[in-house]
Amino acid sequence: NAGVMQNPRHLVRRRGQEARLRCSPMKGHSHVYWYRQLPEEGLKFMVYLQKENIIDESGMPKERFSAEFPKEGPSILRIQQVVRGDSAAYFCASSPQASNTEAFFGQGTRLTVV
Amino acid sequence: AQKITQTQPGMFVQEKEAVTLDCTYDTSDPSYGLFWYKQPSSGEMIFLIYQGSYDQQNATEGRYSLNFQKARKSANLVISASQLGDSAMYFCAMRPFYSGAGSYQLTFGKGTKLSVIP
Repeated sequence: NAGVMQNPRHLVRRRGQEARLRCSPMKGHSHVYWYRQLPEEGLKFMVYLQKENIIDESGMPKERFSAEFPKEGPSILRIQQVVRGDSAAYFCASSPQASNTEAFFGQGTRLTVV
Repeated sequence: AQKITQTQPGMFVQEKEAVTLDCTYDTSDPSYGLFWYKQPSSGEMIFLIYQGSYDQQNATEGRYSLNFQKARKSANLVISASQLGDSAMYFCAMRPFYSGAGSYQLTFGKGTKLSVIP
């Protein structure tokens, strides 16, 4: 859904650099979810945030990955000291509440680590 | 824990024909939702259709319908009158309905690549 905005669409980083992925949810949505899609795979849940709160980060790797959703501004997924295995598509979804029905996905950020 | 299985890595269908994409799931949760998403080559994830486990009728959205067989734990997507623009990856997903940790997580299958032949 075009309402969830992710940028950049494509990001290339050298090994050891930091990657910052941004997600602006749909207007009125205060719940944000990050998913990762490895090549030839479905999406895997990473983290669920509400404004200023991390609700569930059970899908996040223990090291180098962090996420935030500040009171003002977009949600940020941050990957420090990237490695080749971090190359993937990262999708953000938003919903007006922890809804039972669909969450709307952004167009994704394709991270390539060289 | 939830698990989604899509057994068809790739499917071909003639334009204007109907096609069924298979999805089976495994869950111990009594209440859950099932979703289908389309991912074209451009990469975005497009929501197609939703079915709640307690819904009495199968969901339909335009040319998409969901053949929900709860006893068999299957939620197949049927696309009628296929169009060239339907060529894409299709993902089945589910989420449980309960309050607490994990209740909002979508679990995805590995997808089926559909190719529509003119």
